[in-house]
Amino acid sequence: GEDVEQSLFLSVREGDSSVINCTYTDSSSTYLYWYKQEPGAGLQLLTYIFSNMDMKQDQRLTVLLNKKDKHLSLRIADTQTGDSAIYFCAVCDDNNNDMRFGAGTRLTVKP
Amino acid sequence: DTEVTQTPKHLVMGMTNKKSLKCEQHMGHRAMYWYKQKAKKPPELMFVYSYEKLSINESVPSRFSPECPNSSLLNLHLHALQPEDSALYLCASSTIRSTEAFFGQGTRLTVV
Repeated sequence: GEDVEQSLFLSVREGDSSVINCTYTDSSSTYLYWYKQEPGAGLQLLTYIFSNMDMKQDQRLTVLLNKKDKHLSLRIADTQTGDSAIYFCAVCDDNNNDMRFGAGTRLTVKP
Repeated sequence: DTEVTQTPKHLVMGMTNKKSLKCEQHMGHRAMYWYKQKAKKPPELMFVYSYEKLSINESVPSRFSPECPNSSLLNLHLHALQPEDSALYLCASSTIRSTEAFFGQGTRLTVV
């Protein structure tokens, strides 16, 4: 099965950029995902990137994919206190729709 | 409509009860999922339905019984649960190629 790894904690100051990193093992995943989970809530799809792309930008979010190193990152520009949440990286095995999540990175934004 | 709707939002049940969790989507997605999420842990896949047929069962105990009556609905029938089954149960749906997977808000289940 797929292993997806993330660092568990990240703390930044309001207005700074946040970078959340994720590594994954060999995968046939066509798409790779970032989800956000606020306390007590379900998962919200933030963005995703097609596996043959290096970068995708969506307003304050930038996703970088290094397929050779199997490394995915999410950059949040001008981080706000409302961005405080847990961010999950996820990859999906195309052969069986088996979606695997990293442990989640808890982002804390300090004023 | 990009919503996955789960009911109920909260459920407290005894160990001898029988209850069901429901999930509904109208995005035309033909893959639907149940996940279990314990506190401070990532979601763990339980079941996957593709074209209304069970395609993945991740060694889930038989006290959890999924059902996909049609392409828009997914149920999870619960019977004789244990306190350690208390968790957030998340439903998700996607296209078969998983271009975008959408999650419901979850049912917070407490077994007493």
